[in-house]
Amino acid sequence: EPEVTQTPSHQVTQMGQEVILRCVPISNHLYFYWYRQILGQKVEFLVSFYNNEISEKSEIFDDQFSVERPDGSNFTLKIRSTKLEDSAMYFCATSKGFSGNTIYFGEGSWLTVV
Amino acid sequence: ELKVEQNPLFLSMQEGKNYTIYCNYSTTSDRLYWYRQDPGKSLESLFVLLSNGAVKQEGRLMASLDTKARLSTLHITAAVHDLSATYFCAVVSAGKSTFGDGTTLTVKP
Repeated sequence: EPEVTQTPSHQVTQMGQEVILRCVPISNHLYFYWYRQILGQKVEFLVSFYNNEISEKSEIFDDQFSVERPDGSNFTLKIRSTKLEDSAMYFCATSKGFSGNTIYFGEGSWLTVV
Repeated sequence: ELKVEQNPLFLSMQEGKNYTIYCNYSTTSDRLYWYRQDPGKSLESLFVLLSNGAVKQEGRLMASLDTKARLSTLHITAAVHDLSATYFCAVVSAGKSTFGDGTTLTVKP
């Protein structure tokens, strides 16, 4: 079964450093998403991406965050200057279509900011 | 601001019993998802519900949507230990997803 692949699985970074999380979507999927889950808490939507641009973003997705699809395969989430409160599991997800389509999640990238 | 409320937050049940998890939301929605998450793992999509009266079933799980009441239910029939997990509903409105706090289900023999 096709998978959404995320790297790294775990990253430890110093506060103020830039972090890039990478995702390889399922090949025929057109919609991409990032979510985060702080330890023990609920999942939070960050951003959706279609046709090489952001479709929707949440209040969490401020100027410190950016997404891009630099090479037509990887989908990346960049955090420019990490804060302690950015420590969380970040999930990439993809879907073939928009409404009514199953969303497939990657295994997540666990980010620890120290 | 869309609010999504799940209850109960914790549910311990005996194998073979039935139970329902509720997901209430505060504004109109485009669609609603149910997900399962095992401890330390990612999310697995269970159901997507699009319209009022939608009902979907997979194995021992059945989900329904009442858009007028702004309520979705996830019904568990004859629970088995393998269903132990955290279940989240997520409501999509204006393209943005809002998740409930999750219901942690423990099925005991």
